[in-house]
Amino acid sequence: DAGVIQSPRHEVTEMGQEVTLRCKPISGHDYLFWYRQTMMRGLELLIYFNNNVPIDDSGMPEDRFSAKMPNASFSTLKIQPSEPRDSAVYFCASSPDRGQGYEQYFGPGTRLTVT
Amino acid sequence: GENVEQHPSTLSVQEGDSAVIKCTYSDSASNYFPWYKQELGKGPQLIIDIRSNVGEKKDQRIAVTLNKTAKHFSLHITETQPEDSAVYFCAAMRRLTGGGNKLTFGTGTQLKVEL
Repeated sequence: DAGVIQSPRHEVTEMGQEVTLRCKPISGHDYLFWYRQTMMRGLELLIYFNNNVPIDDSGMPEDRFSAKMPNASFSTLKIQPSEPRDSAVYFCASSPDRGQGYEQYFGPGTRLTVT
Repeated sequence: GENVEQHPSTLSVQEGDSAVIKCTYSDSASNYFPWYKQELGKGPQLIIDIRSNVGEKKDQRIAVTLNKTAKHFSLHITETQPEDSAVYFCAAMRRLTGGGNKLTFGTGTQLKVEL
């Protein structure tokens, strides 16, 4: 398996522009997660899906952030409008459901820079 | 919510020595404790995990211990090698009422193995 795939790997955009990050989870995994990593706040869970349905979006910082999962093999995280404080590395992770605990597998991340 | 503390934030050891990283968690409902290794420019990679019904787990040079009573768990790396240099994250997960899981990460330990 190719693992979790994210695109683009790097994104540089100007404040106010719309940014869309993409993720393809590992085939057969039921859960998909979006995380944000910054030096100040570490790894933060933004939102996660189970079988394409959003379960917990309490980590989404503002209404400017939205995420969708139209099918089992694709998800997007959109920021509109983007702001400099959104600069971070955004990770997508996926996981099978194995009862009491399960492994999360991370993608390589998208480094977002908003100028 | 869950709070995970990780120490030390940086750790420098000589090649061949052992390295120990410690974490504490606050939520007694947490029942799954993974450790991730993150190399520069890459996503976190799961290296070992332990469930709450187990006190210790070992995989070659890596071992993890869990003390549920004290709510702390540790990562032990023996015979360290330069390629072990990376940032290591601990995490704690608990099932949520009604389904779903929440993974909370520690703040990370920068491990440097010197020749």
